[in-house]
Amino acid sequence: GAGVSQSPRYKVTKRGQDVALRCDPISGHVSLYWYRQALGQGPEFLTYFNYEAQQDKSGLPNDRFSAERPEGSISTLTIQRTEQRDSAMYRCASSFEEGANVLTFGAGSRLTVL
Amino acid sequence: EDQVTQSPEALRLQEGESSSLNCSYTVSGLRGLFWYRQDPGKGPEFLFTLYSAGEEKEKERLKATLTKKESFLHITAPKPEDSATYLCAVKRATGRRALTFGSGTRLQVQP
Repeated sequence: GAGVSQSPRYKVTKRGQDVALRCDPISGHVSLYWYRQALGQGPEFLTYFNYEAQQDKSGLPNDRFSAERPEGSISTLTIQRTEQRDSAMYRCASSFEEGANVLTFGAGSRLTVL
Repeated sequence: EDQVTQSPEALRLQEGESSSLNCSYTVSGLRGLFWYRQDPGKGPEFLFTLYSAGEEKEKERLKATLTKKESFLHITAPKPEDSATYLCAVKRATGRRALTFGSGTRLQVQP
């Protein structure tokens, strides 16, 4: 695609429910990153992939968070048993090669946990 | 642990009033320092990469500089369309390959 596409743009869920956030990177981009951004803060690293391999998941807050990119393209970030503190903007970014410095970000998925 | 501190948190300028934004960093082996611009409701957009102390990059009214401990984003004769949040980020030479971002400086340029 022309840019990084994320869905849903907005998600409101009740505490305890599972949510899945989807990222469709720019076609052909090798690396895909997930960040979380609180209001008034910079993006906070969660995890990233090169092709289908998860390279670093050290930023995932706890084991309720997981991510996959099974075919090296679309990625899903899953949050199980959501809590109010999970409310944030979740941003996906991609880069055309491994270790590339220029990230192209999507518009994000705004998650609200009631 | 890598740290990126940006100041000021917010800055209000009159159109044409030049100023600088600061980014102080602590990182074990700097691979690169990056500046991004973020407009409300959108994702960050890449501006510059700086790799070594003394390096400078320019784009229109923006100039980024780098020392061993900090980076400056100089804005010359800003216009209202320069209003945005400017984010600084660092990347390590080894270990984590992802960017570590600061909290940003919210710039407002008034006509």
